[in-house]
Amino acid sequence: EAQVTQNPRYLITVTGKKLTVTCSQNMNHEYMSWYRQDPGLGLRQIYYSMNVEVTDKGDVPEGYKVSRKEKRNFPLILESPSPNQTSLYFCASIKAGGTDTQYFGPGTRLTVL
Amino acid sequence: GEDVEQSLFLSVREGDSSVINCTYTDSSSTYLYWYKQEPGAGLQLLTYIFSNMDMKQDQRLTVLLNKKDKHLSLRIADTQTGDSAIYFCAARGAGKLIFGQGTTLQVKP
Repeated sequence: EAQVTQNPRYLITVTGKKLTVTCSQNMNHEYMSWYRQDPGLGLRQIYYSMNVEVTDKGDVPEGYKVSRKEKRNFPLILESPSPNQTSLYFCASIKAGGTDTQYFGPGTRLTVL
Repeated sequence: GEDVEQSLFLSVREGDSSVINCTYTDSSSTYLYWYKQEPGAGLQLLTYIFSNMDMKQDQRLTVLLNKKDKHLSLRIADTQTGDSAIYFCAARGAGKLIFGQGTTLQVKP
């Protein structure tokens, strides 16, 4: 089954404790992207990747890092989380060309105390 | 920069039609999308329309595009309680998707 998986689905942590949210897709898509969703703001892009070892900043990259060492995986790293990073995070995999349809993971709800 | 705007809330009665509106600023957007997000779930692509089309119909869904006014709408006919969700409009521009804030659709029995 074609899918995008994220782990963990829920995480409560404390300020400053490094964490990684994993994202994996099994559709062999080149493009992947991370978004955060906040009430009244919709989805804002954090980082995206056009292929292995190719990443670029989205609209709200501050406080986040990503890596793309393999095509299927695109982890999101928070080196020193802060309370303003409390949010709902979505990973997406994009079938490039044509309609550029985005396939979303189920989301990770992160709370930083 | 590019922007996509939606109203935040719409309430309808079961069986009525729902119309969710969206405006966007990037006139070079080639595709425009509607996504649905049910509670606790990720976003699911509902439908899309290519910028050279005025209308697209898919069962109960009708998408209307007014390219001159940069206005997109999603009409859901015979709205059901299962249609209650957040609906996001998105425009493809400058190599990425720009999402609106999302419209929460409440369907009353």
